[in-house]
Amino acid sequence: GAVVSQHPSRVICKSGTSVKIECRSLDFQATTMFWYRQFPKQSLMLMATSNEGSKATYEQGVEKDKFLINHASLTLSTLTVTSAHPEDSSFYICSAISGGVEGYTFGSGTRLTVV
Amino acid sequence: DAKTTQPTSMDCAEGRAANLPCNHSTISGNEYVYWYRQIHSQGPQYIIHGLKNNETNEMASLIITEDRKSSTLILPHATLRDTAVYYCIVRALNTGNQFYFGTGTSLTVIP
Repeated sequence: GAVVSQHPSRVICKSGTSVKIECRSLDFQATTMFWYRQFPKQSLMLMATSNEGSKATYEQGVEKDKFLINHASLTLSTLTVTSAHPEDSSFYICSAISGGVEGYTFGSGTRLTVV
Repeated sequence: DAKTTQPTSMDCAEGRAANLPCNHSTISGNEYVYWYRQIHSQGPQYIIHGLKNNETNEMASLIITEDRKSSTLILPHATLRDTAVYYCIVRALNTGNQFYFGTGTSLTVIP
């Protein structure tokens, strides 16, 4: 089946620095990818829709200047958390429309801890 | 996309069938019912989906009521590895439609 690889799986960064998370579709082309954030004991919250070759569409309340999304190729989308603060610590998950029976395939997630 | 309502949590004895209900009373005619699960600290995993008819695969069965306002995911012989949060999502198949997650059901399989 379709595979979405997310890297890194865990990252710890200092407050004020930026962190980049990569999401790759390994065996299919993904013109659209999605980024989610999940706080402990909560559900996944959609942050933005990433479209290859165009600007991302952000959900209401998500700061586009803080969460920079780049989808420069059909197999790679990146999420950069800029000027990270401890409240940005969360589990970030990407997904892609894989076109298979499952519809969407999810990455394994990135645990971000800002200290 | 139509909203869904699921119980917050459920327990199931190992080896027994786990029946997870989902209400989607405002579902539209072109919306499918999808089930995903999320094991702790992992990305969601696809389980099954359906439109009108009951569906079965190697993981589970999906029973959709005739009026399509509710459905039940059945794990026929639950194992400890089935302990996870199960999400019921309804959406149309149009490319680009976002996937919104509800609160899901936290299933605990008890030895």
